[in-house]
Amino acid sequence: DADVTQTPRNRITKTGKRIMLECSQTKGHDRMYWYRQDPGLGLRLIYYSFDVKDINKGEISDGYSVSRQAQAKFSLSLESAIPNQTALYFCAAGQGDEQFFGPGTRLTVL
Amino acid sequence: GQNIDQPTEMTATEGAIVQINCTYQTSGFNGLFWYQQHAGEAPTFLSYNVLDGLEEKGRFSSFLSRSKGYSYLLLKELQMKDSASYLCAVRGGSNYQLIWGAGTKLIIKP
Repeated sequence: DADVTQTPRNRITKTGKRIMLECSQTKGHDRMYWYRQDPGLGLRLIYYSFDVKDINKGEISDGYSVSRQAQAKFSLSLESAIPNQTALYFCAAGQGDEQFFGPGTRLTVL
Repeated sequence: GQNIDQPTEMTATEGAIVQINCTYQTSGFNGLFWYQQHAGEAPTFLSYNVLDGLEEKGRFSSFLSRSKGYSYLLLKELQMKDSASYLCAVRGGSNYQLIWGAGTKLIIKP
């Protein structure tokens, strides 16, 4: 079984819509992360959380929000999607040095 | 500012050796990571260096020179399945989160 799962795997939406991407992990890692990946660019950190009551902004948090509902769950929301948020989104979880990534969500905003 | 540079693409022959370089400039440093990412898949952890020198793990080795802001990933006895992107990431910056390079796409030819 995969350690980190993401839903949905693919999503097409329209400008202005609210979107939630969900992430779950089964290994009890304290730390969880949301990244986006764009062609020709490195992974960029959106938000990260070290435990249920801890939320931190990453490099590119504008236009996004997150919720750490439980140790195992970390969701990412786009309150009003815009086309330049079209990207591949990865959730990751980890305890120490290594991060374990989910399979990614490909989001297209029209 | 934060900057991580690695070649965009490299080509090598099955059975050969290839070295993928990574140079970095970050405001802090607490380790350098290499991840492998096959097309359409999640990144997976390969190696971690925090002290200068060479870390060997099977066919893969990673080297770090902190004074030069330089690392390389060495892949020996290349196999077709090694065709992937290799991502260099530095734990640094003001929040000691991972800063990622854009990745090096490695193409293996028979």
